[in-house]
This record gives sequence, C-alpha cells and structure tokens, in this order.
Amino acid sequence: DAGVIQSPRHEVTEMGQEVTLRCKPISGHDYLFWYRQTMMRGLELLIYFNNNVPIDDSGMPEDRFSAKMPNASFSTLKIQPSEPRDSAVYFCASSFGNTQYFGPGTRLTVL
Amino acid sequence: GIQVEQSPPDLILQEGANSTLRCNFSDSVNNLQWFHQNPWGQLINLFYIPSGTKQNGRLSATTVATERYSLLYISSSQTTDSGVYFCAHNNAGNMLTFGGGTRLMVKP
Repeated sequence: DAGVIQSPRHEVTEMGQEVTLRCKPISGHDYLFWYRQTMMRGLELLIYFNNNVPIDDSGMPEDRFSAKMPNASFSTLKIQPSEPRDSAVYFCASSFGNTQYFGPGTRLTVL
Repeated sequence: GIQVEQSPPDLILQEGANSTLRCNFSDSVNNLQWFHQNPWGQLINLFYIPSGTKQNGRLSATTVATERYSLLYISSSQTTDSGVYFCAHNNAGNMLTFGGGTRLMVKP
C-alpha cells in the first residue's frame, strides 16, 4: 500500500484566499483524522471521521475551517478565508484499530 | 482532559549511547502510542503499548498505566534516530492527544 497520501505537499497562498488540502487514506481503514502542527501548539487534532461520518470536530479552530469525506478514499480540509495564523503543517492520518498512520503532511504558508 | 508531559524536552547523544525518554500522564490512560517524527517531518508509529513492554530492534517501550507513565528506550543510538519523539494517548473514539515531544539529536 502507498500509505496515506496528501496533496499538495506545500502550499503558499495570500491572506483571504481559499485553501483546500486533500487526503487519501489507506484502503480499508475506517477512521480518518486531520491534525495541525505548529511550534506554539504542537500537534492538535482538528476533526475525525468514522466510516466517512464526522464524529468530533471540536478541534476545528473556527468556522473558516471545514472538512468533508465524500467517500472512503478521499477527504478534504478547507480554509476559507485563510489567515497568516493558519500557517502550519497539516497532517492526515488513518487507522483500522488502534494504530494511526500519518501522511507526509501539507506545509501551508499564508502570507 | 488528560495532560501529557514528556521529558526531557531536548537530548543530545553521541552515537552508540543509550537513552530513556519518559512520558507522564495526569490520569490513568487506557492506551498509549509512541511516534517518531524524522527531520523531514514524517510521523512514524513506533509502538502501540497500553501496558507492559514491547521491543522492536533497538527500541523498546514500557507502559505502567496504574502509575501513569511510559518509557521509550533507545539502545546503541544511531544518527538516523534523530528527530522528535512523541507519546500520545487515545481518548474515546481513537482521538490522540500528543505530548510536547522530546527532540533528540544523535551526533556521529
């Protein structure tokens, strides 16, 4: 298996623009997670899905953030409008059971 | 929620040395994982270890859930062990809460 796939790997955008991050989980995994990593706050869980259904989005910082999982092989995290404080590395992870497997991350820079 | 504290925050080793990283929890945890984030940012799951001891090559981990801590042992360290080591515990629903990490640098 190719592992968790994320795209793009790097994104540079200007404040106010819409940003869409994409994730393809490992085939057969029933959980999908979105995390954000910053120097100040470390690794934080934003939202997670079970069988394509959002279960807990309490980590989503504000209404500018939204996530979808239209099918078992694809998820998106959208930020609209983006702000400089959204700059971070965004990780997607998937699991079947207790072990989570992380994608390579998307490094987002909002100017 | 449960607080996760890791120590030491930073560690520098000479290649070949052994080390112990510690993870403390503010309350009992049902399960725990250790991750390694390499210098390129990739997060790799090392152990899922709710209790007891597991070994994988030069790495081993021990969790004593009743005493609210877990230890990660690295023996005969190599430069490729450099990076940040995180422990994380699973809340209900597989939600991971991460510690602040231990940044390890292994010098040749």
